Amino acid sequence: QQQVKQSPQSLIVQKGGISIINCAYENTAFDYFPWYQQFPGKGPALLIAIRPDVSEKKEGRFTISFNKSAKQFSLHIMDSQPGDSATYFCAPTLSNYKLTFGKGTLLTVNP
Amino acid sequence: GAGVSQTPSNKVTEKGKYVELRCDPISGHTALYWYRQSLGQGPEFLIYFQGTGAADDSGLPNDRFFAVRPEGSVSTLKIQRTERGDSAVYLCASSRDRGQPQHFGDGTRLSIL
Repeated sequence: QQQVKQSPQSLIVQKGGISIINCAYENTAFDYFPWYQQFPGKGPALLIAIRPDVSEKKEGRFTISFNKSAKQFSLHIMDSQPGDSATYFCAPTLSNYKLTFGKGTLLTVNP
Repeated sequence: GAGVSQTPSNKVTEKGKYVELRCDPISGHTALYWYRQSLGQGPEFLIYFQGTGAADDSGLPNDRFFAVRPEGSVSTLKIQRTERGDSAVYLCASSRDRGQPQHFGDGTRLSIL
C-alpha cells in the first residue's frame, strides 16, 4: 500500500517559469506536511513545511498549498532557477518523527 | 561540526560480511533517525531514537539490522550477514527534539558485492 503518491515523476521548466509538484496521501492522521530538496550525493534538506490548520504557506519563491479534504498538498516554485534543479520529495508525517517520503520528482530548470 | 556527519561515506563489502555505519548528530539534538534510500526511491524510515532508547524500530527490515545510541549522541547502525539487497544509501537525521525539523547527513552508500 503506497501511502504517499507524488506527481509528476519528472518535470522540465524554463528559467523564470513556475514549477508545480503534487503529493497525495492516504493517512488522515498525518499532521505535518514538509517538502524536502535533495541534490545528487547529498542528504535531503527541509525546504518548506505546513501544518493542516492553514491552507497556504509562502516562503520566498516557494509556496505550499494544502487541501485537507482532498488529502493533497503541492509545492509551487515561482521564478524557477537552474539552481533549483534537484529531486523534490514530499514527506508527510505524524508528529514529525516518521517521515513518509514519496518517490520523488526530478526537476530540471533549463537556462 | 555544524551538520550531521556520517562515516564512512562509501562502503563496499562482500555478501555475508558484517558492517557498521556511524552517525554523529548535531550537538544537542536529542532525537536521531535512520532511513534507507534505494536507487530512484524516497528514503524509508528504519528507526528513531529519543536519547539513548530506540523509541520506534518498526522500520528495521529484519533481525539482521540493529542500531544503538549508548550515550545519547553518536549512533551506529549494524548489519549482520549482509545481502545484495541491502545495497542502498543509509541516511541519518537528527532533530532538537521529537516534532522539530529533521536535519539529514549526506549518507553512507553501501554496496554489497
